[in-house]
Amino acid sequence: SQELEQSPQSLIVQEGKNLTINCTSSKTLYGLYWYKQKYGEGLIFLMMLQKGGEEKSHEKITAKLDEKKQQSSLHITASQPSHAGIYLCGALIQGAQKLVFGQGTRLTINP
Amino acid sequence: GAGVSQSPRYKVTKRGQDVALRCDPISGHVSLYWYRQALGQGPEFLTYFNYEAQQDKSGLPNDRFSAERPEGSISTLTIQRTEQRDSAMYRCASRQGLGRTSGNTIYFGEGSWLTVV
Repeated sequence: SQELEQSPQSLIVQEGKNLTINCTSSKTLYGLYWYKQKYGEGLIFLMMLQKGGEEKSHEKITAKLDEKKQQSSLHITASQPSHAGIYLCGALIQGAQKLVFGQGTRLTINP
Repeated sequence: GAGVSQSPRYKVTKRGQDVALRCDPISGHVSLYWYRQALGQGPEFLTYFNYEAQQDKSGLPNDRFSAERPEGSISTLTIQRTEQRDSAMYRCASRQGLGRTSGNTIYFGEGSWLTVV
């Protein structure tokens, strides 16, 4: 959506390398979700961030929320082939009621 | 039900026919969202409801698309006079509460694949 921009749109990294995906909102954020999707499959919930400065980790994936900048970053450390897929950020806007998504970042991990 | 249920999972229809896609949210969930997703793209917002009230339908592509949630539970997305460009995955999601801190986990259904031939 135009309200939520992800960058980069695609990313190819070598196995073992670190990477970062960014998500920026043009509207006030009331919550930020990160999902992962395998091509053509369902959405897998990764984590949700609500408060400015909040940081959450799950295995080798860490997400941070900068509420003032209206953006979030997803960082993967020591990437593995299992990390490959499409990463989607979703944001609650409009008084924490409307949920919109970015266009996704396609991550490819090369051996 | 235990999760968000969508039906049909797969629908092939001829151009010009009407289709109805159903979403059965988690029992008691207040908010219900509809999205359309093309392969390799992020979910495109269509519309959402709080209880039975449609709050925002700005994402509906044109007047062939409509949605309702008459009793604040099950919702139906209807596409009239389908066109090939309507072919996509249609996803539904529900959320327990309203506002910032109450029941913010969002649950997605498996989606309905629509193919218009």
